[in-house]
Amino acid sequence: EPEVTQTPSHQVTQMGQEVILRCVPISNHLYFYWYRQILGQKVEFLVSFYNNEISEKSEIFDDQFSVERPDGSNFTLKIRSTKLEDSAMYFCASRGQFFQETQYFGPGTRLLVL
Amino acid sequence: AQSVTQLDSHVSVSEGTPVLLRCNYSSSYSPSLFWYVQHPNKGLQLLLKYTSAATLVKGINGFEAEFKKSETSFHLTKPSAHMSDAAEYFCVVSALNYGGATNKLIFGTGTLLAVQP
Repeated sequence: EPEVTQTPSHQVTQMGQEVILRCVPISNHLYFYWYRQILGQKVEFLVSFYNNEISEKSEIFDDQFSVERPDGSNFTLKIRSTKLEDSAMYFCASRGQFFQETQYFGPGTRLLVL
Repeated sequence: AQSVTQLDSHVSVSEGTPVLLRCNYSSSYSPSLFWYVQHPNKGLQLLLKYTSAATLVKGINGFEAEFKKSETSFHLTKPSAHMSDAAEYFCVVSALNYGGATNKLIFGTGTLLAVQP
């Protein structure tokens, strides 16, 4: 069964450093998402991406964040200058073209900012 | 705006006994509702979804949920718990974006299910 993959599974970085989290969505999917889960809190929507542009973003997704689909298979989330409060599990998700289709999630990247 | 409320942060059951995880939703239109499960150190797996077809939805691993509009509820049940069911369960609603078809997911706070031998 096709699945969403994410790399790395864990990342430790110093405050102020840039990180790039990578995702490979399911190959025929058209809508892509990033969510995050701070330890002990609920999963929160960050951004959605369709047709090579952001279709919606949350208030969390400020200028420090960016997303890109550089090569037609990868979907990346970049944090330009990490803060301590960016420490979280980041999930990538994708879905097909129809509105009610299921979002399939990757296993997540645990980011720790020191 | 859409939201979901999971009424219990922790539920503990004995193996072989029924499971009930409660969820209430708030939506100004007919919602799409989901239950996702997260096992320790794993990603989010879809258990089942409701998208305005049958109100009783069957999912994987023997779980089912019933959409009750009059009660704005979407409780998750299983007749007989198994040790492998121990995980965190999230009730989720899909938010419409009338400017497009984003349908971002809005998660509840989660219910941690413990299964005692």
